[in-house]
Amino acid sequence: AQSVSQHNHHVILSEAASLELGCNYSYGGTVNLFWYVQYPGQHLQLLLKYFSGDPLVKGIKGFEAEFIKSKFSFNLRKPSVQWSDTAEYFCASRSGGYNKLIFGAGTRLAVHP
Amino acid sequence: GAGVSQSPRYKVAKRGQDVALRCDPISGHVSLFWYQQALGQGPEFLTYFQNEAQLDKSGLPSDRFFAERPEGSVSTLKIQRTQQEDSAVYLCASSQTQDSNQPQHFGDGTRLSIL
Repeated sequence: AQSVSQHNHHVILSEAASLELGCNYSYGGTVNLFWYVQYPGQHLQLLLKYFSGDPLVKGIKGFEAEFIKSKFSFNLRKPSVQWSDTAEYFCASRSGGYNKLIFGAGTRLAVHP
Repeated sequence: GAGVSQSPRYKVAKRGQDVALRCDPISGHVSLFWYQQALGQGPEFLTYFQNEAQLDKSGLPSDRFFAERPEGSVSTLKIQRTQQEDSAVYLCASSQTQDSNQPQHFGDGTRLSIL
């Protein structure tokens, strides 16, 4: 069965620090990969997605992610975080032919001013 | 706004009671998904509708869970004879078409607590 694993459950950073959140997926076929963010009290929102092409994907709010097929990874990065990036981040995959999303357990990011 | 709307936002029920959770997808969206999110976990797929057709219900944890979308718009997730392990946030998402590259738009969820 497909699975998605996120390495860090809680991350605490100071403003302006760099961020990298790990994500690994298990499926060996064609995958669509996503990062979603959930700000406190809000619904899940799409940050970025990868379907094909350039493995470096740029999303909203300065986030980017790199798809590395050989490592089954899709890590999320941001060069300089802000207090407003405090949220929970979910990596998800969807395999070709199915529409359901398979989520990781999420990473709670707290950014201190 | 014109996002996915779920009601109620919070539901408390006693063990053994039946509950019904409602989802209003974005108008015109063909695909509708239900997910269950337990505390400290990511959302887990429950079921998928394309218009009124339930094409995938592989994630429903037991026959106590039932979902419908009779007119291809509003959907209801019903849980019969609720158990404590049913306590979770239930998320609804919709996407514009059945194409797998369409993003899913999520509602705020219904937080269900079973006493």
